[in-house]
Amino acid sequence: SQTIHQWPATLVQPVGSPLSLECTVEGTSNPNLYWYRQAAGRGLQLLFYSVGIGQISSEVPQNLSASRPQDRQFILSSKKLLLSDSGFYLCAWKRQLLNYGYTFGSGTRLTVV
Amino acid sequence: DQQVKQNSPSLSVQEGRISILNCDYTNSMFDYFLWYKKYPAEGPTFLISISSIKDKNEDGRFTVFLNKSAKHLSLHIVPSQPGDSAVYFCAASAKTSGSRLTFGEGTQLTVNP
Repeated sequence: SQTIHQWPATLVQPVGSPLSLECTVEGTSNPNLYWYRQAAGRGLQLLFYSVGIGQISSEVPQNLSASRPQDRQFILSSKKLLLSDSGFYLCAWKRQLLNYGYTFGSGTRLTVV
Repeated sequence: DQQVKQNSPSLSVQEGRISILNCDYTNSMFDYFLWYKKYPAEGPTFLISISSIKDKNEDGRFTVFLNKSAKHLSLHIVPSQPGDSAVYFCAASAKTSGSRLTFGEGTQLTVNP
């Protein structure tokens, strides 16, 4: 069966510090991978998606970047965090060529102080 | 541009009664619609979906209705149970955009015993 792992579960970082959130998927190959953010009182906003190694698409301009160094690994990064980067970050995957079946990780609560 | 909107941020119902959660969309290219349920500090989990070729899909206590002419869908939960208390997200996708999911803002459902 397929599983998705996301860590850490919670993170408190000072403004200006770097960020690295990691997401890995097991039990499948060549998945589509996604990073979403849920800001306080807001819906789920798509930040990045990837259809393959090294292929990253950004949905919104921001202070964050994403990388996919391996088929089942998706990393969300920042060189210098802003207060506005606080939120709940979710990684998700789905099989390619399907328009359903997104599976989400358990999320990372990031608080920038 | 919010293409998927859930205009009610919260809904409170009594146990045993019907819960109706609403969702409106603006993009006529959307051809697949999903509902996700999210508990605090967890990732969303898939609940039920509907293709644009249908107007109703039922799964146990959950039924999703789609009105394409009105660009409106709704989720009915009958009977509602306290364990249904969660945030419910409506999501939509279009084959023309690679089937990426666009989410609404979410509705907090509280089912009172």
